[in-house]
Amino acid sequence: NAGVTQTPKFRVLKTGQSMTLLCAQDMNHEYMYWYRQDPGMGLRLIHYSVGEGTTAKGEVPDGYNVSRLKKQNFLLGLESAAPSQTSVYFCASSPGTGGFNQPQHFGDGTRLSIL
Amino acid sequence: AQSVAQPEDQVNVAEGNPLTVKCTYSVSGNPYLFWYVQYPNRGLQFLLKYITGDNLVKGSYGFEAEFNKSQTSFHLKKPSALVSDSALYFCAVRDTGTYKYIFGTGTRLKVLA
Repeated sequence: NAGVTQTPKFRVLKTGQSMTLLCAQDMNHEYMYWYRQDPGMGLRLIHYSVGEGTTAKGEVPDGYNVSRLKKQNFLLGLESAAPSQTSVYFCASSPGTGGFNQPQHFGDGTRLSIL
Repeated sequence: AQSVAQPEDQVNVAEGNPLTVKCTYSVSGNPYLFWYVQYPNRGLQFLLKYITGDNLVKGSYGFEAEFNKSQTSFHLKKPSALVSDSALYFCAVRDTGTYKYIFGTGTRLKVLA
């Protein structure tokens, strides 16, 4: 049981390039999330999804887009990368049943550098 | 607005001594509180949660947390620290009425041999 898998693990981009980060979960979870982690700032929510075909903005959505075409996958896109998007990106999922008392399951992150 | 605060960036403790990592929260309504641990180059791992019931919650790896409603705190504790407990610890609260979680800025725990 792999849990939450993120690809790629590392990537270096040039300013203005685009890319997509992939998150896949095999736990049949309804909710999925994208965070970025920066030193001293904890985790900040970029976008999230409460089910297949639905997405919503989080705390820091600008410069990112997401899609959830399949329940198990949640894609994060950078349309035109900027140095300020250099960060570690984490995907997480949680069950829909049980509501608010369920913890999140995290992937191991994608380390992204924008030059 | 709902929030979580971890007032210490780093906590140092000697191996074998008790440890405490502090967390305070501000939410409307009943709080749903969580602790996670992050090891280098890994994602966050769930340690324990408080939803309702006993104020002392037991979790993984010998950790426990004490919920104090009057002080709006949810401090993480362990009776005897191990060097392997050295990691980054995050407190989180479920944002009332939404599907979102709010995370603290993290506390780095260093256990000295």
